[in-house]
Amino acid sequence: EPEVTQTPSHQVTQMGQEVILRCVPISNHLYFYWYRQILGQKVEFLVSFYNNEISEKSEIFDDQFSVERPDGSNFTLKIRSTKLEDSAMYFCASTRLGGTDTQYFGPGTRLTVL
Amino acid sequence: SQQGEEDPQALSIQEGENATMNCSYKTSINNLQWYRQNSGRGLVHLILIRSNEREKHSGRLRVTLDTSKKSSSLLITASRAADTASYFCATARLAGGGADGLTFGKGTHLIIQP
Repeated sequence: EPEVTQTPSHQVTQMGQEVILRCVPISNHLYFYWYRQILGQKVEFLVSFYNNEISEKSEIFDDQFSVERPDGSNFTLKIRSTKLEDSAMYFCASTRLGGTDTQYFGPGTRLTVL
Repeated sequence: SQQGEEDPQALSIQEGENATMNCSYKTSINNLQWYRQNSGRGLVHLILIRSNEREKHSGRLRVTLDTSKKSSSLLITASRAADTASYFCATARLAGGGADGLTFGKGTHLIIQP
């Protein structure tokens, strides 16, 4: 069964460094999402992406964040200058039909900012 | 209360018993989805119920939706130790665009005692 994959599974970085989290959505899906989950808290929506542009974004998704679909398969989340509070699990998700459809999540990348 | 709040926050039952978790939400929705998360792992999609549906079954899972009360319940019958996990409901807004993100609740942590 097709699945969303994410790399790396765990990323450790120093405060102020840039990180890029990578995702490969399910191949025939058209809508892509990033979410984050701070330890012990609920999953929070960051951004959605459709037709090669950002469709929706939350208040969390400020100028430090950016997303890109550099080729036909990858979907990336970049954090330009990491802060301690960016430490969280980051999940990528995809759907074929958007908001009316099941969102399939990847296994997540655990980001630790020191 | 926040959109997509589950109760109870924690539930401990004996193997073989049924487990019921509830979710309440505030805005009008297109659909509501239930996910399972094992400790530190990714989100596994369980079931999606649309706003015009009242009940849905999948194996040992039964989900109900009451849009007049803005609430949903997830019933797991004949629980097993492997069902130990956190369970989240997530809603997609009715008026949302095609790429709207899901709004998650805080989750119910279910422990099945062998």
